[in-house]
Formats: sequence, C-alpha cells, structure tokens
Amino acid sequence: SQQGEEDPQALSIQEGENATMNCSYKTSINNLQWYRQNSGRGLVHLILIRSNEREKHSGRLRVTLDTSKKSSSLLITASRAADTASYFCAPSSGGSYIPTFGRGTSLIVHP
Amino acid sequence: GAVVSQHPSWVICKSGTSVKIECRSLDFQATTMFWYRQFPKQSLMLMATSNEGSKATYEQGVEKDKFLINHASLTLSTLTVTSAHPEDSSFYICSARVLLGEKLFFGSGTQLSVL
Repeated sequence: SQQGEEDPQALSIQEGENATMNCSYKTSINNLQWYRQNSGRGLVHLILIRSNEREKHSGRLRVTLDTSKKSSSLLITASRAADTASYFCAPSSGGSYIPTFGRGTSLIVHP
Repeated sequence: GAVVSQHPSWVICKSGTSVKIECRSLDFQATTMFWYRQFPKQSLMLMATSNEGSKATYEQGVEKDKFLINHASLTLSTLTVTSAHPEDSSFYICSARVLLGEKLFFGSGTQLSVL
C-alpha cells in the first residue's frame, strides 16, 4: 500500500479566496481520491480521479492529476468558513488496496 | 449514499475495563472494514483490516490481543479495546468498502478517554 503526502500541512485563508493543496505519491495508481475530515469526525469522500483523467470538477472542487509527476492538486474555489477541515488524499492501486493516509492539509477559512 | 454508523461517539471508562466499538454499514454490504486510530492533529493510523468471516489482519505494532476485531457479518464489525489504559485514549474510526470497491465510507468516529 502507499500513502499520499499532502502539502502544505496547514493553510489559512480568507473567505472567498481559493485554496490549493497538493498531494504526491510514489508508485503508479489506478485512481486517486480526496477526503475531507471535519474536526472530531470521520472522513467524507469528496472526489475520485482516475489515472487516465487529468482534471475533474465537482461543484467548487477542482482536482488535477499529473501521473508523470505522481502528483495531484485539489482546488477549492470561493472558499467558505464551512470548508474549514483537514483534507487527505488517498492514491489507490486497485480494488484490493489497503488505504493509508498522510497527515493531511489543515485548512482554516476565516470569515 | 452509503452510510456507516459508528457507535458510541464517545466513551469514558476506567482503566482496566474493556470497551466495544461498533461499526455498521446501513445500506450496503461491507466485505472489508478498516479500523484506524488518530491522535490530535495527526494522520489516521491504520490498525487492522477485517474481511467478513475471516480473522483480521493487524498492522505491525498493533497488539491483536488488546484490540480485538470481529467482522461476523457483512454489515457489522466491532473493535474491542481490552483492559484499556490511559495510553489507549484516542479517536478510533472505522471505514468500510464493498468488494473491489474504490471508495471508502467512514464512520463518524469514537473518542475514547480512559481515566
């Protein structure tokens, strides 16, 4: 199994600004997923991007994937205070993979 | 959407007692469940993987006699922290996946405090 490494570890922005966080991984993947964790809660699945996709959108979320650089980015546009949470990436090598997580990016959006 | 119910959300117990945490998939069959432990502002540490009807596979460094995992049905897995001590205090989270599924569905976590 492999885990992604998120960067930066912490991000503090004002409401309305965009937030970008990055994920790097080591070996080839089938897909990469992003999850969000509100303080004291479990993780919630945000978006999945497959290895043959370069970009994917879901509402205010935009995810890119560069398999040549083994990296992904998550962009949250027009951030809101409610977006305050930790964000984790999970690179996957197939259905039998064992999901592990890095430290995540802690995002704080100030109202 | 797929829902995973984890219970209890928090528990306080005395040192030496055992605590059971339940993780239920409410609207799907979870062939595989994962148990994680998380310290404040830290990553989720995978403790074990359990497949329905099989013994759990524990990660290195996790005591299987202390953290008993049972996955007797396709909708229920339990984690029992036996003879809990203060150092076992942590946030425990379960997640579930269908056979060859790509997404994980997480419970809301259990905050365990051992006095």
